Amino acid sequence: AQSVTQPDIHITVSEGASLELRCNYSYGATPYLFWYVQSPGQGLQLLLKYFSGDTLVQGIKGFEAEFKRSQSSFNLRKPSVHWSDAAEYFCAVGHNAGNMLTFGGGTRLMVKP
Amino acid sequence: DVKVTQSSRYLVKRTGEKVFLECVQDMDHENMFWYRQDPGLGLRLIYFSYDVKMKEKGDIPEGYSVSREKKERFSLILESASTNQTSMYLCASDDTGAGSSTDTQYFGPGTRLTVL
Repeated sequence: AQSVTQPDIHITVSEGASLELRCNYSYGATPYLFWYVQSPGQGLQLLLKYFSGDTLVQGIKGFEAEFKRSQSSFNLRKPSVHWSDAAEYFCAVGHNAGNMLTFGGGTRLMVKP
Repeated sequence: DVKVTQSSRYLVKRTGEKVFLECVQDMDHENMFWYRQDPGLGLRLIYFSYDVKMKEKGDIPEGYSVSREKKERFSLILESASTNQTSMYLCASDDTGAGSSTDTQYFGPGTRLTVL
């Protein structure tokens, strides 16, 4: 069965510092991978997604993620974090059968001034 | 912009009550989903629907049912609420036909349900 692991439950970074959020997946076939962000009191918003092709994917708000098949990873990065990036981030893998997504447990990002 | 709305942001119910959570999307999406979100567990799929009157069980359907009588509306029903159903419930819809894993899901703001 497919699964997604986000090893870091909480991360704190200083404003302006770089960010990397880790995501590891377990899936038998070629994965479809997603990163979503949930700001306080909001629903989830898609940051970026990977289906095929270039393994470095650009998303909204200056985020990018790199698919590494050999490491079963899809880590999210941002070169310079802004205070408004404080939120919870979820990695997800899509299934071939139907439209179901399996989500990781989430990483809560806090940004220090 | 796609809009997914949920009938309540906060709801407090008593054990044994029947609870209805309503979700409406305004973009004519075929697929709709109900998830529950719990700290450390991420989102877990309860049910999804790929057409009117059609439904499929997700990962944790026990204790829940769903109804989809109109394309834009997807209801989650707790027949007899229990304290372990206290959670955040998120509705989503996606933007293409059924059967594609590449679809983007659009989420509502969530309903925080407390069962006393």
